[in-house]
Amino acid sequence: KAGVTQTPRYLIKTRGQQVTLSCSPISGHRSVSWYQQTPGQGLQFLFEYFSETQRNKGNFPGRFSGRQFSNSRSEMNVSTLELGDSALYLCASSLAQGSGGEETQYFGPGTRLLVL
Amino acid sequence: GDSVTQMEGPVTLSEEAFLTINCTYTATGYPSLFWYVQYPGEGLQLLLKATKADDKGSNKGFEATYRKETTSFHLEKGSVQVSDSAVYFCALTPNTGGFKTIFGAGTRLFVKA
Repeated sequence: KAGVTQTPRYLIKTRGQQVTLSCSPISGHRSVSWYQQTPGQGLQFLFEYFSETQRNKGNFPGRFSGRQFSNSRSEMNVSTLELGDSALYLCASSLAQGSGGEETQYFGPGTRLLVL
Repeated sequence: GDSVTQMEGPVTLSEEAFLTINCTYTATGYPSLFWYVQYPGEGLQLLLKATKADDKGSNKGFEATYRKETTSFHLEKGSVQVSDSAVYFCALTPNTGGFKTIFGAGTRLFVKA
């Protein structure tokens, strides 16, 4: 079974631009979560989508948004990029057959975003 | 809010040494607890998990026990190898529906031959 894939793997943008990152979950997985990893703040939860609906949300500004399609693929968008948005963005998927918390999340390799 | 605290690194050990990485958490209710490992340039891999009090998670020689009374989930391995060099993250997911995983800061482990 193919793992979680994320595209692109690397991205360079300038301040003020917007960016869209893509995540394809493992086949059959319905939950997709996004995380931001930076040296200063560590790993922080952005949001989770389940069956095309946002189920959980972290404490990020409205510039960060996401969506999920009917095939469970997900995208996240960051508008008006700031230097501090430079980070590794990780996506994780899960079957989410139950309440969710006890299940395993499988992580993709991440998209490394550099904002200049 | 929920939080995870783990020991700061880096931790440097010689091959075959005993490893302990401390992790404590603060959460309402009964979260699930996890240890993830991140190798250089890669994403996170689940190392082990425990979903209720007194559960012991184990994998590849690593173990951790869910201790509700001390709100801890310490990671241990009896004999580390050079290939165990990586960053280890303790994490919790509240059992309130869906995933909103909270991670610790990570502990970098160096194992020298």
